[in-house]
Amino acid sequence: AQSVTQLDSQVPVFEEAPVELRCNYSSSVSVYLFWYVQYPNQGLQLLLKYLSGSTLVKGINGFEAEFNKSQTSFHLRKPSVHISDTAEYFCAVSDRSNTDKLIFGTGTRLQVFP
Amino acid sequence: ETGVTQTPRHLVMGMTNKKSLKCEQHLGHNAMYWYKQSAKKPLELMFVYNFKEQTENNSVPSRFSPECPNSSHLFLHLHTLQPEDSALYLCASSQDLQGWDFGQGTRLTVV
Repeated sequence: AQSVTQLDSQVPVFEEAPVELRCNYSSSVSVYLFWYVQYPNQGLQLLLKYLSGSTLVKGINGFEAEFNKSQTSFHLRKPSVHISDTAEYFCAVSDRSNTDKLIFGTGTRLQVFP
Repeated sequence: ETGVTQTPRHLVMGMTNKKSLKCEQHLGHNAMYWYKQSAKKPLELMFVYNFKEQTENNSVPSRFSPECPNSSHLFLHLHTLQPEDSALYLCASSQDLQGWDFGQGTRLTVV
């Protein structure tokens, strides 16, 4: 069964510093990959997605992610974070053969300090 | 403001109560989902409806009963819940591969 691993449960960082949130998935089959953000007391908002094509995907709020098939990774990066980026970030994967299922990681809490 | 609306936002219910969660999407999507979000656990997919037909039931206890009367509305009927069912319940919808759109969730507390 498909699974997603987010190795860091919390990532503290100072404002304007770069950040990388790590995500690895288990399946060797073709997948679609997503990053979502959840602000306190809110639902999930799509940051970016990889379906095909260029392995570097740009999303909203200055975030980007790179799909690495050999390492089964889809790490999220931002070159300079802002206080407002403080939130929970979820990586998710969907098998191309079963796009009804979106499987999530446990999330990474990004805490940006002034 | 999202295209997926969930009501109520907060719900406190006793273990003998019966209540329902409602989800409505205005995006013209053909698939709708219920997810459960508990502290320190991954989001758990509970139910999937595609064109109003249930295509997935992820071993969810029968005290949770979904209903999808049309492609825009999804309900989750609750009865005789347990305290461990307290969680954030998220509804989502999707169309092809455009990504899943989520509602803001219903925070459920079972007392």
